[in-house]
Amino acid sequence: GENVEQHPSTLSVQEGDSAVIKCTYSDSASNYFPWYKQELGKRPQLIIDIRSNVGEKKDQRIAVTLNKTAKHFSLHITETQPEDSAVYFCAARGYTFYNQGGKLIFGQGTELSVKP
Amino acid sequence: SQTIHQWPATLVQPVGSPLSLECTVEGTSNPNLYWYRQAAGRGLQLLFYSVGIGQISSEVPQNLSASRPQDRQFILSSKKLLLSDSGFYLCAGSGGVPGANVLTFGAGSRLTVL
Repeated sequence: GENVEQHPSTLSVQEGDSAVIKCTYSDSASNYFPWYKQELGKRPQLIIDIRSNVGEKKDQRIAVTLNKTAKHFSLHITETQPEDSAVYFCAARGYTFYNQGGKLIFGQGTELSVKP
Repeated sequence: SQTIHQWPATLVQPVGSPLSLECTVEGTSNPNLYWYRQAAGRGLQLLFYSVGIGQISSEVPQNLSASRPQDRQFILSSKKLLLSDSGFYLCAGSGGVPGANVLTFGAGSRLTVL
């Protein structure tokens, strides 16, 4: 079945440094790749997403890149701040005509710690 | 925009007791609905998804079941809870048309089985 691998599982950086989280997916039909941020005890919140017809997308300090050939995508956070500390999840969704949307399969998460 | 309501927020249940978690959706008609479980190890495991009333797909064999009696209502149930059912359960929804990909989560239900 579909699978999403995410690395690293934990990441510690100094405030102001960059953080990179990488994911690979197995389903070549996947065409939508969101990233979620989950603070302790709270629900996951969408922070950025990318579709398969785009190679890169930026939103202020956050960027996502996609390599469909290699089936991997990455989250880049620049100028990290303590409030960026959270668990980050990547996900991939395939599209099927039968269910009009496909399933969103998540990676195992990366716990990012930004030290002041 | 879509809002997911989920309850109860927390519950403690004895082994062998039944379970019912409820989720309702505002702001979208014919949404795709999902139940995820998040164990202590952080990963989000997809349990069930539904593309319409009465349509349920199960992702993993388990002690749980799901039902969708109305377009905007999704229920997670168990007849007899196991210790391994403990976890953080998240209901989620996305728009019910192709291309409406964004998944919105409810606040979650934390279940402890003793």
